[in-house]
Amino acid sequence: TQLLEQSPQFLSIQEGENLTVYCNSSSVFSSLQWYRQEPGEGPVLLVTVVTGGEVKKLKRLTFQFGDARKDSSLHITAAQPGDTGLYLCAGYDYKLSFGAGTTVTVRA
Amino acid sequence: GAVVSQHPSWVICKSGTSVKIECRSLDFQATTMFWYRQFPKQSLMLMATSNEGSKATYEQGVEKDKFLINHASLTLSTLTVTSAHPEDSSFYICSAYQTSGGNEQFFGPGTRLTVL
Repeated sequence: TQLLEQSPQFLSIQEGENLTVYCNSSSVFSSLQWYRQEPGEGPVLLVTVVTGGEVKKLKRLTFQFGDARKDSSLHITAAQPGDTGLYLCAGYDYKLSFGAGTTVTVRA
Repeated sequence: GAVVSQHPSWVICKSGTSVKIECRSLDFQATTMFWYRQFPKQSLMLMATSNEGSKATYEQGVEKDKFLINHASLTLSTLTVTSAHPEDSSFYICSAYQTSGGNEQFFGPGTRLTVL
């Protein structure tokens, strides 16, 4: 069983601050995806990272995939209340395995 | 982008009854759909992989006779929770792969099941 561990579990910050969420696994995945989920809705894909060492930027969000393709991080710069949500990482190896998620709250 | 819908969005039923949840890919064909379950403040747990025209593949610990999956067409998969009990109350989410390729799954909005 491939396990993905996310940290921290909860994160509460003030608007304008930066935050980083980590996703670690003991297994190698062919790709890793980050999702954001609002309460009562399905997850929405933010990014897919495929290559070890890859860095992708999506406006204020920066995603990194570790060289060994076992870990990843999501960094948000100047967080806004609209960034509040559950952030999930998921490793793909013929099927998606989700981490436990990080609940991010950005206070105005 | 690709859209996946679920129906109903929420359902309340009595213990012992069966409930059917539909998952539809609205603007693309999906030979493979997935069913997940998510308990409050927890992550998504894959229940089964639904393949059009063949039997579903269930994850370890998921009872195939309790969670019946039918994928009769390239745009529709159904999950039937049979003889539902309060512990089956959860948020059920489906996702679908586009047949044309890529490993991006498009997720439905989820169905909230409450068993009284």
